[in-house]
Amino acid sequence: AQTVTQSQPEMSVQEAETVTLSCTYDTSESNYYLFWYKQPPSRQMILVIRQEAYKQQNATENRFSVNFQKAAKSFSLKISDSQLGDTAMYFCAFILLRETSGSRLTFGEGTQLTVNP
Amino acid sequence: KAGVTQTPRYLIKTRGQQVTLSCSPISGHRSVSWYQQTPGQGLQFLFEYFSETQRNKGNFPGRFSGRQFSNSRSEMNVSTLELGDSALYLCASTLYTGELFFGEGSRLTVL
Repeated sequence: AQTVTQSQPEMSVQEAETVTLSCTYDTSESNYYLFWYKQPPSRQMILVIRQEAYKQQNATENRFSVNFQKAAKSFSLKISDSQLGDTAMYFCAFILLRETSGSRLTFGEGTQLTVNP
Repeated sequence: KAGVTQTPRYLIKTRGQQVTLSCSPISGHRSVSWYQQTPGQGLQFLFEYFSETQRNKGNFPGRFSGRQFSNSRSEMNVSTLELGDSALYLCASTLYTGELFFGEGSRLTVL
């Protein structure tokens, strides 16, 4: 079974600064995707960034980037130039790319990020 | 393009009742999956439907069931509600495994 662990329940950062959220996962499979989702107070889950396991290059999306260390099974999210609107719960998630797995996400516990003005 | 639509957004039920939640996926998406979110257990996978067939099932009791219609809309049903069923129920639709889109959720309160 796959597991995802986020060891930081809460984090805070000053506006315009950089923050890194940590995530580790465990799997014996080699073909999978990793995601960071953001859940603001409105409760809708929003995809922030995706990383395909077969890609060595780290994914980036504007101010968001990841540090994907496949051997270490680590997948951290860096948010640069933090904005007040980044305040949300962030979830790390994992999905296997296997016919029988379908679209089943395994989520971490979440990290509540607060951006202070 | 319309997003994933979940109805109702909020509902209150009493113990022993049953509830049905609805999810309309993004047009063209054939896979719909359901998740339960609670403060204690976090986000847990309930089940996934693809082309009207249950493709995957999480570790929930038989009181939780679902189905998918030919237009890909999905419903989930919880019978004999318990206090612990109070949660945010999220639906996600996907065109392919690498990209899931979530609805705003249905918040169920069981009294």
